[in-house]
Amino acid sequence: GQNIDQPTEMTATEGAIVQINCTYQTSGFNGLFWYQQHAGEAPTFLSYNVLDGLEEKGRFSSFLSRSKGYSYLLLKELQMKDSASYLCAGMDSNYQLIWGAGTKLIIKP
Amino acid sequence: GAVVSQHPSWVICKSGTSVKIECRSLDFQATTMFWYRQFPKQSLMLMATSNEGSKATYEQGVEKDKFLINHASLTLSTLTVTSAHPEDSSFYICSARGERDYNEQFFGPGTRLTVL
Repeated sequence: GQNIDQPTEMTATEGAIVQINCTYQTSGFNGLFWYQQHAGEAPTFLSYNVLDGLEEKGRFSSFLSRSKGYSYLLLKELQMKDSASYLCAGMDSNYQLIWGAGTKLIIKP
Repeated sequence: GAVVSQHPSWVICKSGTSVKIECRSLDFQATTMFWYRQFPKQSLMLMATSNEGSKATYEQGVEKDKFLINHASLTLSTLTVTSAHPEDSSFYICSARGERDYNEQFFGPGTRLTVL
């Protein structure tokens, strides 16, 4: 079956670094996505990895290891506005997104 | 990036009535549109996939006669919740994908439905 696992909730301090992990099992693989979702809003795209390695985009970086079925999202210099849910989604061979349940990130001052 | 709109943003209706939600791609042609539902504190649940000009493909457990999807043009898909009940209250989100890049889905802002 297809499955995406990520932690339910994480807490971090403003200004610090946090890493949100995601493991995936999909039927075929066409990439791994990370989305940010604030409460009551639709998801917004953060990153896309289809090859192994680290993709850096400003304060956010995403890593993929296809052999391990593993990805992480790294957030640096945390700001209060980063408090949100972070959704990991794998794209299967039919180009369908398989969604994780999301990780609620709580930022404390 | 591409823009997808949804209308209405929120709607309150009485039990037993029908509600139509529109999803539009504003600056690209969406050959495929996806309809999701999200309950509080849960992740997105794909309800159906619709391709322009053909019948929608519904996920297991989603009643196609209750959630009517029409993808009549390359820029518009509609979801009609028929005979709505309080348990249909949820956040409904559409996303759209063009024909060029299968890896990109663009999300609408969502529609919050409350059925009294």
